[in-house]
Amino acid sequence: EVQLVESGGGLVKAGGSLRLSCAASGFTFSSYSMNWVRQAPGKGLEWVSSISSGTSYIYYADSVKGRFTISRDNAKNSLYLQMNSLRAEDTAVYYCARDISPYCSGGSCYSGGSFDIWGQGTMVTVSS
Amino acid sequence: QSALTQPASVSGSPGQSITISCTGTSSDVGSYNLVSWFQQHPGKAPKLMIYEVNKRPSGVSDRFSGSKSGNTASLTISGLQAEDEADYYCCSYAGTNTIFGGGTKLTVL
Repeated sequence: EVQLVESGGGLVKAGGSLRLSCAASGFTFSSYSMNWVRQAPGKGLEWVSSISSGTSYIYYADSVKGRFTISRDNAKNSLYLQMNSLRAEDTAVYYCARDISPYCSGGSCYSGGSFDIWGQGTMVTVSS
Repeated sequence: QSALTQPASVSGSPGQSITISCTGTSSDVGSYNLVSWFQQHPGKAPKLMIYEVNKRPSGVSDRFSGSKSGNTASLTISGLQAEDEADYYCCSYAGTNTIFGGGTKLTVL
């Protein structure tokens, strides 16, 4: 079964750090671009970050740039999100998602938004 | 980039068809065929319904279809069913960013 399972969420004070993990199974993880998407309580979806299959291309939303770091270990079929300098507005459910159609142009590849597999999400709560 | 613009809510009766719009700009929706649509039921993860404007993933009902004209993409659901009641989000490639719409709550009357 194709599956993504997030872990690592929890309650943290503003200014603190957390590291989220996403374990993939049932597909060739190393062949796919991966993403983190978050959803604040009662709000819509917000793309956070993407990483290409071979880690060459990494992008962040402006709201997390300089504070969050995405990484992956293809040998362990795992995706990570290191979150530092956390703020109250980072409170959200964080999902990892597989991208089946990244857009490649001019020697770079970007998230295409075609997220076909999602994890169940992990809740991050930042207290102020 | 700003979020894509969707109506906050739409409604329809069982068996009817509804369309949800998603308006972007010439820098995102208007320039690339990289618009996707997600369905989300309360407390659940989003589900991909349409990608690359009008492609359906395996297992998604053909009652769901996508299209685009200029800077506006649309999701049409025909033959509305009770289980279609959910939140729907559009999403578009936007260069180094990926942007979502604010979401549309579909109510099946």
